[in-house]
Amino acid sequence: AQSVTQLDSQVPVFEEAPVELRCNYSSSVSVYLFWYVQYPNQGLQLLLKYLSGSTLVKGINGFEAEFNKSQTSFHLRKPSVHISDTAEYFCAVSERGGGNKLTFGTGTQLKVEL
Amino acid sequence: DSGVTQTPKHLITATGQRVTLRCSPRSGDLSVYWYQQSLDQGLQFLIQYYNGEERAKGNILERFSAQQFPDLHSELNLSSLELGDSALYFCASSVDEGVHTEAFFGQGTRLTVV
Repeated sequence: AQSVTQLDSQVPVFEEAPVELRCNYSSSVSVYLFWYVQYPNQGLQLLLKYLSGSTLVKGINGFEAEFNKSQTSFHLRKPSVHISDTAEYFCAVSERGGGNKLTFGTGTQLKVEL
Repeated sequence: DSGVTQTPKHLITATGQRVTLRCSPRSGDLSVYWYQQSLDQGLQFLIQYYNGEERAKGNILERFSAQQFPDLHSELNLSSLELGDSALYFCASSVDEGVHTEAFFGQGTRLTVV
């Protein structure tokens, strides 16, 4: 069975600074990888996904992530954050051939400060 | 607005009771997923339906059941409720059952068991 680890439960960062949210996964088969964002009192919104092809994936709101198979990682980055990026970010994995069942990490709370 | 509607938004009920959570997927979406988000368990996949048929099961308790109706709306039934069932329950929908299509999440139903 697959699993996802988000080591950082909270990441404080100043506005306009770069940020990286870490995600590592474990699976015995090939996987698809996702990042979702959850704003307060909202549902989850897809930021980006890796299905195949280029390992650098660009998403909405200026976020990007890089799939690293050897390190089983899918870290999320943004070169310059804004106050509006304050939210909880979830990394998720789905096994190829496993339908659309997502296994989520425990989430990383990104807090952007002035 | 994701287009996925969940009702009610909040629900408070006593232990031992039974409740029904409702989800209306986005127009045209055939697949519906249910997730539970709690402080101790995080975000967990419960069950998936596609065009009325159960497609995948996750960590869903035997006290919980779901169904998808011919009009494609779905209901999640929770019975013999325990304090530990208090959580945010999300419904998501996608056009089909493959992971290549994005799943859109509703805003969730917050269930409080007292």
